[in-house]
Amino acid sequence: KQEVTQIPAALSVPEGENLVLNCSFTDSAIYNLQWFRQDPGKGLTSLLLIQSSQREQTSGRLNASLDKSSGRSTLYIAASQPGDSATYLCAVRPGGGKLIFGQGTELSVKP
Amino acid sequence: DAGVTQSPTHLIKTRGQQVTLRCSPKSGHDTVSWYQQALGQGPQFIFQYYEEEERQRGNFPDRFSGHQFPNYSSELNVNALLLGDSALYLCASSLGTAATYGYTFGSGTRLTVV
Repeated sequence: KQEVTQIPAALSVPEGENLVLNCSFTDSAIYNLQWFRQDPGKGLTSLLLIQSSQREQTSGRLNASLDKSSGRSTLYIAASQPGDSATYLCAVRPGGGKLIFGQGTELSVKP
Repeated sequence: DAGVTQSPTHLIKTRGQQVTLRCSPKSGHDTVSWYQQALGQGPQFIFQYYEEEERQRGNFPDRFSGHQFPNYSSELNVNALLLGDSALYLCASSLGTAATYGYTFGSGTRLTVV
């Protein structure tokens, strides 16, 4: 059974820091992995999609890597800003249409 | 370009009642999935609709049912509501069922069962 874990559950950093969020999954048989951002009480905003054949994807200050064989992905945020404060969720697509989500990392960036 | 639209945004129902939630996919998308997100948890997959048929289902009881219309919009119905059904219900759309494309999520419907 595929399980997705995100560590840490919460993170507080001062503005300007570079930071890394971690995501691990138990079964390497995935089609892709997607990182999302969720503001309190809101829906999910897609940040990056990495296909199983890819190693990383970049968008602005965000960089996501995927190591399928070890069951790990990281989301790197450069020069963090207070507006980056949100919960970050990773989800794997093991097959069919469903996504399996981690519980998220709640990020707080202090001015 | 409109994204995924969900209605209503908030809903309060009494235990035992029935509820219908609605979703319009992003323009150009034809596949709709539904997720339930309890407070402090990651979303849990309920089911996916493509070509007006349920294609995959998560571990949810038969009280949860759905429908997809010819215009690709979708409804989620929950019967005999329980207090534990209180959650944020998210709709996600995509193009086809291949894994080439990612998912676009709506803002969700907050359901409170009292």
